Amino acid sequence: SQTIHQWPATLVQPVGSPLSLECTVEGTSNPNLYWYRQAAGRGLQLLFYSVGIGQISSEVPQNLSASRPQDRQFILSSKKLLLSDSGFYLCAWSLGTSGTRRSDTQYFGPGTRLTVL
Amino acid sequence: GDSVTQMEGPVTLSEEAFLTINCTYTATGYPSLFWYVQYPGEGLQLLLKATKADDKGSNKGFEATYRKETTSFHLEKGSVQVSDSAVYFCALSPLANQAGTALIFGKGTTLSVSS
Repeated sequence: SQTIHQWPATLVQPVGSPLSLECTVEGTSNPNLYWYRQAAGRGLQLLFYSVGIGQISSEVPQNLSASRPQDRQFILSSKKLLLSDSGFYLCAWSLGTSGTRRSDTQYFGPGTRLTVL
Repeated sequence: GDSVTQMEGPVTLSEEAFLTINCTYTATGYPSLFWYVQYPGEGLQLLLKATKADDKGSNKGFEATYRKETTSFHLEKGSVQVSDSAVYFCALSPLANQAGTALIFGKGTTLSVSS
């Protein structure tokens, strides 16, 4: 079966510091990978997605970036955090069979709670 | 554009009460529809899904029917438990699903069940 891991689970960082959040998926190959942010009291916002190694698409211009150095690893980064970057960051995966119903369903990791002070 | 509208919460029920959380959507064609549940401090878990009209998704006593004529996907459970307390999200995946298409989520409905 497939599992998805995220770490760290909780992070408190000062404004202006760098960020690195990691997500890994086990039990599947060539998944589609996603980063979402869930701000307090708001819905989920897609930040980035990736359909393969080195292929990153950004949905929202901001001071965050993403990378996919390996097939099942997805990293969210920032060089300088802002207060507005606080939130709950969720990684998700779906089957890498684009354009079919099988790739519809996204499965989420446990999330990382980021607080920027 | 495509969108999902959920009833606003919080929804407060006593144990063994009947639950309905309303969800309606706007989309072109026949999107897939989902319900996700988020327990405090955790990520989202897929609760159930339906991919075509009149499909009924069900899991753990929850069910929802894809109603094309009313563009709805209401979540129901006959007898809720305290352990069902969580935030419930309705979501859709657009018809022209290409790799990387975001799920479109409602804002979530908080359910609180007391014993």
